[in-house]
Amino acid sequence: GAGVSQSPRYKVAKRGQDVALRCDPISGHVSLFWYQQALGQGPEFLTYFQNEAQLDKSGLPSDRFFAERPEGSVSTLKIQRTQQEDSAVYLCASSFQAGQGGTEAFFGQGTRLTVV
Amino acid sequence: LAKTTQPISMDSYEGQEVNITCSHNNIATNDYITWYQQFPSQGPRFIIQGYKTKVTNEVASLFIPADRKSSTLSLPRVSLSDTAVYYCLVGDIGAGGYNKLIFGAGTRLAVHP
Repeated sequence: GAGVSQSPRYKVAKRGQDVALRCDPISGHVSLFWYQQALGQGPEFLTYFQNEAQLDKSGLPSDRFFAERPEGSVSTLKIQRTQQEDSAVYLCASSFQAGQGGTEAFFGQGTRLTVV
Repeated sequence: LAKTTQPISMDSYEGQEVNITCSHNNIATNDYITWYQQFPSQGPRFIIQGYKTKVTNEVASLFIPADRKSSTLSLPRVSLSDTAVYYCLVGDIGAGGYNKLIFGAGTRLAVHP
């Protein structure tokens, strides 16, 4: 595809329900990031993958959040037992580079999660 | 300690030049300075990146003084469609040596007719 694709665009979940958010990065991109963005705030880092390896999960807010990228391409962010404070836009980004230096990352449009 | 500091909001009018300054006093030798733009209901979009002096592309210019403790994003002749949030990022190295993108609150630019 031409860009990073996220699905679904919108998700409404009842409190306590599990959700899975999908990210299709740009083909060949090594790096993949997940962010959480609350209304009126900047994106907050959640986790980072380099190919299939999850190198950094320091931003995941609790053990209810889990991310995977088993084949180094598509990634899934799973939230178990959703709470109202999980309501936010979840953004995925990918970039070709992996190492240090400047990084141009390409973002998807995000998935807006609303927990009711 | 915040990595970058930028104004919360700015207002401008169509056709004017807009300069948004970002302070990054603790920038490291290897850090790049990157600016992203975000429209409502969209993910951030890369605008420009630089290491020192001046960088220009078809969208904007980035001015970086010799001490690199600040940078200025310059948008020439803004239009209504430039109304967005602009984020200044300075390289942050995550576990494993990758370039970690850390966003602050950004600057909300409102362009008026």
